[in-house]
Amino acid sequence: DAGVTQSPTHLIKTRGQHVTLRCSPISGHKSVSWYQQVLGQGPQFIFQYYEKEERGRGNFPDRFSARQFPNYSSELNVNALLLGDSALYLCASSLSAGVETQYFGPGTRLLVL
Amino acid sequence: AQSVTQLDSHVSVSEGTPVLLRCNYSSSYSPSLFWYVQHPNKGLQLLLKYTSAATLVKGINGFEAEFKKSETSFHLTKPSAHMSDAAEYFCVVILSGGYQKVTFGIGTKLQVIP
Repeated sequence: DAGVTQSPTHLIKTRGQHVTLRCSPISGHKSVSWYQQVLGQGPQFIFQYYEKEERGRGNFPDRFSARQFPNYSSELNVNALLLGDSALYLCASSLSAGVETQYFGPGTRLLVL
Repeated sequence: AQSVTQLDSHVSVSEGTPVLLRCNYSSSYSPSLFWYVQHPNKGLQLLLKYTSAATLVKGINGFEAEFKKSETSFHLTKPSAHMSDAAEYFCVVILSGGYQKVTFGIGTKLQVIP
């Protein structure tokens, strides 16, 4: 079975641009969470979506937004990119929105110049 | 509010000796606690989780952790380190009461010396 997939794997953008990252969960999983991992630090929670509704949010500015589609895939959007947004963006899927085991994708590495 | 403190950023052990990775948490409510491992250039993998059942939790690859409420700790241990255990380990606390909040620790890099 396919695990969590993310696209693209790598991305280079310039300051002020907008980026969209995509995630497909494991088949049967209805919840997707997004994390930002800056080099040398632990992942920071951005959002959790379940059944297309936001069920959790971390301390990120409104430049960060996400949505979940009927097939449970998800997009993370970041507007007005800053240099500090350079990071590995991880997506994780789980069966539901409760305290479930999360299965992580390989991540999208974003570099903002 | 909740927080996770991993007390050591780096731990170095000799192969075959015990491993102890320390984690303390702070939470207003009863948390669920996890340990994840991240090998270089690989995704995060769940080692074990505590969700208010038995306080001693056994995970994969011989790891285990004990939830101690009085000490607000959830330390990860393994009796005998293997070279393949070299990786970064993250302690995670999750509060879920309708609206979920997930907090990762900063990570502990485990080095295993042959």
